[in-house]
Amino acid sequence: AQKITQTQPGMFVQEKEAVTLDCTYDTSDPSYGLFWYKQPSSGEMIFLIYQGSYDQQNATEGRYSLNFQKARKSANLVISASQLGDSAMYFCAMSFFYNNNDMRFGAGTRLTVKP
Amino acid sequence: EAQVTQNPRYLITVTGKKLTVTCSQNMNHEYMSWYRQDPGLGLRQIYYSMNVEVTDKGDVPEGYKVSRKEKRNFPLILESPSPNQTSLYFCATRRGSGELFFGEGSRLTVL
Repeated sequence: AQKITQTQPGMFVQEKEAVTLDCTYDTSDPSYGLFWYKQPSSGEMIFLIYQGSYDQQNATEGRYSLNFQKARKSANLVISASQLGDSAMYFCAMSFFYNNNDMRFGAGTRLTVKP
Repeated sequence: EAQVTQNPRYLITVTGKKLTVTCSQNMNHEYMSWYRQDPGLGLRQIYYSMNVEVTDKGDVPEGYKVSRKEKRNFPLILESPSPNQTSLYFCATRRGSGELFFGEGSRLTVL
């Protein structure tokens, strides 16, 4: 069964430091995509970054990078130089190229950036 | 501007009183879906639609109905709401295998 696991319910990081949010997944399908979303306290879902299963390089978007380790089935989000505005819930998600009618989400990690 | 619009954003209702949460998108996407978000469970898919007049169940469809009569609209219907349907609801759309575009969310409380 396809499953996404985020084992850190909550994380704290000091402002300006880097933080890694963990995400592992379970699938036997070779063709999939991995996504990270941010949900600030206002509630909206904001797409951050995407990694395809066949991508050779780790994805980066500004201060966000995705540490993709295919053999370990992990897709950790790294946020560099944390800012107070990074305090939010972060969700890891997975979908499949052959069957794009669903996206499976992890339980989320609440990140708090301390000044 | 690309948008997914949900209404209402907030609603408090009582058990058994039928309600509809509307969703409209202006991106001309064929795919639309509904998710509910609950603490510790992430987002779970309720129903999805691959095109007009084509809908199918997600993981948690019990107690919900949907319809897709037009490409842009995908309303979620709670015929007889119960307290376990108290949740944050998201409508979403996507093109192909890309990212989901979400509405602003609808926070529903059923007393």
